[in-house]
Amino acid sequence: DQQVKQNSPSLRVQEGRISILNCDYTNSMFDYFLWYKKYPAEGPTFLISISSIKDKNEDGRFTVFLNKSAKHLSLHIVPSQPGDSAVYFCAASARSGTYKYIFGTGTRLKVLA
Amino acid sequence: NAGVTQTPKFQVLKTGQSMTLQCAQDMNHEYMSWYRQDPGMGLRLIHYSVGAGITDQGEVPNGYNVSRSTTEDFPLRLLSAAPSQTSVYFCASSYGGNEQFFGPGTRLTVL
Repeated sequence: DQQVKQNSPSLRVQEGRISILNCDYTNSMFDYFLWYKKYPAEGPTFLISISSIKDKNEDGRFTVFLNKSAKHLSLHIVPSQPGDSAVYFCAASARSGTYKYIFGTGTRLKVLA
Repeated sequence: NAGVTQTPKFQVLKTGQSMTLQCAQDMNHEYMSWYRQDPGMGLRLIHYSVGAGITDQGEVPNGYNVSRSTTEDFPLRLLSAAPSQTSVYFCASSYGGNEQFFGPGTRLTVL
């Protein structure tokens, strides 16, 4: 069973607009959530994270929202830029446990100029 | 700092051959892990380690072995390669339960 799900395999957004990427999880033991960005032929790079004690975390153009009751998190990118075009993965771990990171299947974002 | 390094970058094996994918980090991170990335499947955790001498299985451990004799190194061994193990393999490390740093990946093809 997939514990972390990204149901949208792809997303196309116009430059300057908001990109919203979604992620759902099933394991209530997860207490730390991360977003990674991946360009072709490179390893994923960390983007932003959020602890379960918060419901929002901002870093520049990137904001992550966490809804614990719905077991849902989202990444907002405002404004979107062509350089943001990449595959975005959400990941979850139980920091109070084994630090086992589980990733979603990814969403390919294409920002159109 | 070199960060997380992986060798080789590319490898082609025949079915039944064995090999070891190397991973090293110079950040003194306790936590290291191996993932495989397949189309439509995202990143799936193979094995992970929370410190030297301690390893555990991830989501897809079958066909792979790991050991962690030092903090720096975390090799992944394929005992008898199968076509189903054709994938891109990523190694990652982190300090505690924080964000992971990934290596550049190893692209493996098993014929």
